[in-house]
Amino acid sequence: NAGVTQTPKFQVLKTGQSMTLQCAQDMNHNSMYWYRQDPGMGLRLIYYSASEGTTDKGEVPNGYNVSRLNKREFSLRLESAAPSQTSVYFCASSGRYEQYFGPGTRLTVT
Amino acid sequence: KQEVTQIPAALSVPEGENLVLNCSFTDSAIYNLQWFRQDPGKGLTSLLLIQSSQREQTSGRLNASLDKSSGRSTLYIAASQPGDSATYLCAARPWAGGFKTIFGAGTRLFVKA
Repeated sequence: NAGVTQTPKFQVLKTGQSMTLQCAQDMNHNSMYWYRQDPGMGLRLIYYSASEGTTDKGEVPNGYNVSRLNKREFSLRLESAAPSQTSVYFCASSGRYEQYFGPGTRLTVT
Repeated sequence: KQEVTQIPAALSVPEGENLVLNCSFTDSAIYNLQWFRQDPGKGLTSLLLIQSSQREQTSGRLNASLDKSSGRSTLYIAASQPGDSATYLCAARPWAGGFKTIFGAGTRLFVKA
């Protein structure tokens, strides 16, 4: 079992560029999440998907879009990257109880 | 609005010491509370999860307790080791909007050999 996988691990973008962060889980979980982690701010929820076919905004959704492609995959898209989106992005999934996290994507926007 | 606070923000202890990490939350209507460990530059690893109906959970040298009435959870680490050095985060999952888990900022633990 790979658990939760994320690609890429590192990315540098210029302001205004777009990119998609990929996430996949092999635990047959219904729910998936995208968080960002910033120093002094902790982990903040960007978007979540309670089940296949549904997505909802979290605490900090502005500037992001998501797609729940199927039960396994949940992607996060930055349409026009801004320096304020420099962060570490984590994908997570959960069944009924525990959340499991991926290794993260470290994104720098210059 | 749920808020989760972890005190202290950082802690340094000698090897072998027993220690307690604190987590407080403002809304007692939680579904569960989960403790995580995060090593520098890595993702979060789940340590213990306590359901709303439970008072504590144990795994090896770790024991987590939950007191909803006081809005507190503690993570007890027995006989600490240098390998325990990491950041420990607690996360409260609410009943209402049950997917919007709120995380504390974490306690950075350093265990000195």
